[in-house]
Amino acid sequence: QSALTQPASVSGSPGQSLAISCTGSLSDVGSYNLVTWYQQHPGKAPKLIIYEVTKRPSGVSDRFSGSKSGNTASLTISGLQAEDEADYYCCSYAGISNYVFGTGTKVTVL
Amino acid sequence: EVQLVESGGGLVQPGGSLRLSCAASGFTFSSYWVHWVRQAPGKGLVWVSRINPDGSTTNYADSVKGRFTISRDNAKNTLYLQLTTVRVDDTAVYYCARVSVGAYHFDSWGQGTLVTVSS
Repeated sequence: QSALTQPASVSGSPGQSLAISCTGSLSDVGSYNLVTWYQQHPGKAPKLIIYEVTKRPSGVSDRFSGSKSGNTASLTISGLQAEDEADYYCCSYAGISNYVFGTGTKVTVL
Repeated sequence: EVQLVESGGGLVQPGGSLRLSCAASGFTFSSYWVHWVRQAPGKGLVWVSRINPDGSTTNYADSVKGRFTISRDNAKNTLYLQLTTVRVDDTAVYYCARVSVGAYHFDSWGQGTLVTVSS
C-alpha cells in the first residue's frame, strides 16, 4: 500500500487561508469517506483535527475544515495563526483492515 | 482524562526482540480498538497493527506481519507489541492510539516510545 501524496510544504501569512491536498486512489480515499487529518507539532504526538472527511472533534477550531473529491481529500486552514505551524498528515482507511497515511505536509506561518 | 503511556523502547540489535507496552487510563479500555502507529526519525506516520476490544481479532501491516505480535490485557488496561526479528528499518517512535468501535479515526494518542535498531 503506497502512502497518500501530500505536498511537502505549504506556507502562508497570518490571517490567510491555505489548503493541503491528499491524493490517493480508488483503493483508499476514493472508496471510503473515512479520511482523517492529524496535526503534529515537533516532538509531540499527532492530534486528530478532522475525521470522516469533514467532521471536527469537539474542541478543534472551526478554522479547520475538510473536503473530498474523487481520490483527493483536502484540509483547509482559514485565518492562519502562528500556532498552526506544524506537520499535517492525512490518513484513509484502505479496506482489508488497513490504514494508509499521507506523506505529510509542513505548514509554515510566515 | 484519557491517557495512553507507552514504554519499553530502547536500543536493540538487528534480529533481536523487544516488547512495547501502552498503559491506558481515564476510559474503559476494554471497549476500544487500539492500534500501533510508528514514525521513523524525520519521516511520516505509518500504521502498524490493531486489536479489537476483546483481543480476538488482530491485523498487521505487511511490513511487520509474521514478526510483530499485538496483544492486550484488559484486566491491566495495557496494550502490548512484541517485536521480533527486528530490522534497522524498524527504527521509529512507536505510538499507541485508540479507536472507538465503529469508527476509523485515532482520537487519542500516547506520547510514543523510541525503538532504535542498530548494531
